[in-house]
Formats: sequence, C-alpha cells, structure tokens
Amino acid sequence: QQQVKQSPQSLIVQKGGISIINCAYENTAFDYFPWYQQFPGKGPALLIAIRPDVSEKKEGRFTISFNKSAKQFSLHIMDSQPGDSATYFCAASTSGAGSYQLTFGKGTKLSVIP
Amino acid sequence: EPEVTQTPSHQVTQMGQEVILRCVPISNHLYFYWYRQILGQKVEFLVSFYNNEISEKSEIFDDQFSVERPDGSNFTLKIRSTKLEDSAMYFCASEQKDRGPTDEQFFGPGTRLTVL
Repeated sequence: QQQVKQSPQSLIVQKGGISIINCAYENTAFDYFPWYQQFPGKGPALLIAIRPDVSEKKEGRFTISFNKSAKQFSLHIMDSQPGDSATYFCAASTSGAGSYQLTFGKGTKLSVIP
Repeated sequence: EPEVTQTPSHQVTQMGQEVILRCVPISNHLYFYWYRQILGQKVEFLVSFYNNEISEKSEIFDDQFSVERPDGSNFTLKIRSTKLEDSAMYFCASEQKDRGPTDEQFFGPGTRLTVL
C-alpha cells in the first residue's frame, strides 16, 4: 500500500534526447509527489514536485506528468545533457497530521552520453 | 544558501558498539527526519521529529534507535548496539513547518556508517 514503484532501473540516453522515468503508487492518500536528483556522494536534492490538482508541471527542461486515475506519474527530461547524469528518485507523501514522511521509489540511474 | 550539514561523513564501528550521527538542520526549519539508504537500494524513512518529540517512525526504527535534539541546533541519531545490517548511508533532512505548495525536505550529504 505504501510502495512507490519506479522504472526503469537504469537509462542511457544520447545528449539532446528525452529521458523518461515512470512511477506508480497505490496509496490514494498520497498528495505530494516530488522528484529528487542524487549525485554520487551527495544527498538527494529536490528537482521538481507536483500535487494531484494539476496534470503537468514544467520547470525548464524538467516536466512531471501526473495521471491521478492511473495512479502514475513520470519525469521527462528534455534535451538531456551529460550533467543530468545522476540517480533520480520519485517519492510520495501525504499531508495527514504529522505524516510527512517521503516514500521513495528504488531510483533510476540515468547516464547521458555525448 | 542554507544547507543541512552532517557529521561525520564516514563512521566505521565494530558490531555491538554505540554510534551517534549528528545533523545540523536549516535554522528556521521545525520538522526533522532521518532516512537511510543501504548501498544500491532506495532511500527509506526512519523517523520524523517535531516539537521535541517523535511524530512518526518506521518499522526499521526499533528500540536500538533513538533521536534527540540536545540543543537549538543539533539533531542526533543514536544506534545503541550496531549490527552488520545497520551499514548504510544515513541522511538527515529538515523542513519548514508550513505545508504550502512548495514543500521541500532538504537533505544533508549523509553519513556513511560501516559496521564491521
């Protein structure tokens, strides 16, 4: 019920291409869906986040698409660059009282090759 | 830019020993978290802390674990008797109280704990 399933586990994309990472959840109480980017040796850093009242959110080259009925959301990285090479985690949380823990997906290791 | 800091960056200990991992959250944040990440696996929630008490904890956070905010700046995670399976990267995170549209948990760089 609390799981967030993420795919693919790894992704190789040519420079300039589109990277797409997908996540699915089961708990309908989740109402906050962030994506975190993690470089080796560093902690996760928030990249972009969405709430279920919108179906899409775009920030620069990064877009989240959200499908509430299917309980799925995805990250699209347009014009992927070698500097985007990192591990990406989707996550979800609820706004219930005192229940703000993030439930993470297993991560996707993105490699953008020149 | 304010950031969460953690010390030490790497801690090596013998099985059965006690360890204390330290975190300095961002100064105006009021919610604090510990997560862990076993090598190659996902980040897992351990515990959340607000108003000087635990607000939520996971199944992982058993009696061997404790958290404390001993002063106005530090937030610590203590493992009383470490096990081999406690070897992981431990991340501290902090968050402002307001759950507005730009909620964000800010993560520290982590402490790598190695239990031998």
